[in-house]
Amino acid sequence: DIQMTQSPASLSASLGETVTIECRASEDIYNGLAWYQQKPGKSPQLLIYNANSLHTGVPSRFSGSGSGTQYSLKINSLQSEDVASYFCQQYYDYPWTFGGGTKLELK
Amino acid sequence: QVQLKESGPGLVQPSQTLSLTCTVSGFSLTSNSVHWVRQPPGKGLEWVGAIWSGGSTDYNSALKSRLSISRDTSKSQVFLKMNSLQTEDTAIYFCTRVPGYPPFDYWGQGVMVTVSS
Repeated sequence: DIQMTQSPASLSASLGETVTIECRASEDIYNGLAWYQQKPGKSPQLLIYNANSLHTGVPSRFSGSGSGTQYSLKINSLQSEDVASYFCQQYYDYPWTFGGGTKLELK
Repeated sequence: QVQLKESGPGLVQPSQTLSLTCTVSGFSLTSNSVHWVRQPPGKGLEWVGAIWSGGSTDYNSALKSRLSISRDTSKSQVFLKMNSLQTEDTAIYFCTRVPGYPPFDYWGQGVMVTVSS
C-alpha cells in the first residue's frame, strides 16, 4: 500500500497568515492526489484534485502544488472559517490511502 | 442535487454483522461509483471499499475477508455488510461518490457505529 505522511499533525496560525501543509507519498503517485477539509462533526469536503486543480466553489485562497512524492496545500490569508482538519489522499493506486491529517487552529 | 445518506444501527455487538445502507439521489449508480470510507473517533480516514458503475467491487485488503458491498439500482441504494465486528471497527462510516474519475466529490453525513456489548 502507498503510505501518505502528512505534516504537521497540528498547526496554529493567525488570521491573514499563509499556511502550508505537506504530504509525502511512499512512492511516485503521478499527481493522483486530493486535499479535503473536514470541520468538526461534518463530512470531508473536496478542495483540490489532481494535485493542483481547485474544486468547484472552493475559494481561490486555497491552492495545491507538487509532483512525484511531495505535495503541499497552501492557504493564503487565513480566515476563521478555515479552522478545520485537512487530509491528503492518493488515488493513483489501490487501496486509496489518506494522510493522517493536520488540525488547523487559530492562534 | 447530489445527495448521499447513510443509515444503519448505531450499536453492534462484538462478533456480529454490521449492515449499512447508503441512499443516493441526484445521480445514477450506473454511471458513478460509490465508496465507503470510515473514521475512528478522533482519527484519520480509511478507505473501506467500493462498488463501481458496472457493478464490480473492490475492497480494502485488510477487510476483504469480512466485507461485502452490493447495490439495488432501482432503489438507488448501496449496501455494506461487514461480519465478525470488533471494537476496532468502531467508527463513523461515510459513503461517498466518485463521478467516473476520482477523487470523492460528494459525501454523506456519516453514521456512527459503535461496537460494544
